[in-house]
Amino acid sequence: EPEVTQTPSHQVTQMGQEVILRCVPISNHLYFYWYRQILGQKVEFLVSFYNNEISEKSEIFDDQFSVERPDGSNFTLKIRSTKLEDSAMYFCASSGSRGQPQHFGDGTRLSIL
Amino acid sequence: AQSVTQPDIHITVSEGASLELRCNYSYGATPYLFWYVQSPGQGLQLLLKYFSGDTLVQGIKGFEAEFKRSQSSFNLRKPSVHWSDAAEYFCAVGARGGSEKLVFGKGTKLTVNP
Repeated sequence: EPEVTQTPSHQVTQMGQEVILRCVPISNHLYFYWYRQILGQKVEFLVSFYNNEISEKSEIFDDQFSVERPDGSNFTLKIRSTKLEDSAMYFCASSGSRGQPQHFGDGTRLSIL
Repeated sequence: AQSVTQPDIHITVSEGASLELRCNYSYGATPYLFWYVQSPGQGLQLLLKYFSGDTLVQGIKGFEAEFKRSQSSFNLRKPSVHWSDAAEYFCAVGARGGSEKLVFGKGTKLTVNP
């Protein structure tokens, strides 16, 4: 069964540094998402992306965050200047069309020191 | 805006016992409803979904869920739990039209005793 793959599985970064989290969505999917889960808390929506542009973003997704689909397969989340509170598990998801189930990757655990 | 409540933070059952995990949602119309499972260190795996039609939906691993509009609930059930079912279970709601985001509950952690 096709999967969403995320790399790296764990990223450790110094506060203030830039970090890029990478995702390869399912190949024929058109809608892409990032969510995060701070330890012990619920999974929270960050951003959705369709047709090479952001279709929706949450209040969490401020100017420090950006997303990009640099080629036909990758979908990235960049945090420009990381803060301690950015430490979380970040999940990428994709879906084939509006309203269809979102399929999640295994996540990238981001630890900010 | 939609919201999801999972009232049970932690449930412990014995292997072979039946299971019901509760989920209540708040949304102005009938939403899309999902249950996901997360094993330790793993991502979110879709167990089942409700879009429309039959209110009792079957999923993977022997799970089922029933949509009850009058109670705004979408409870997850399994008749006989296996030790491998120990994980965290998340109920999620999606809007019909408009926002694409999923809104998740806080999750219910399931422990299975031998």
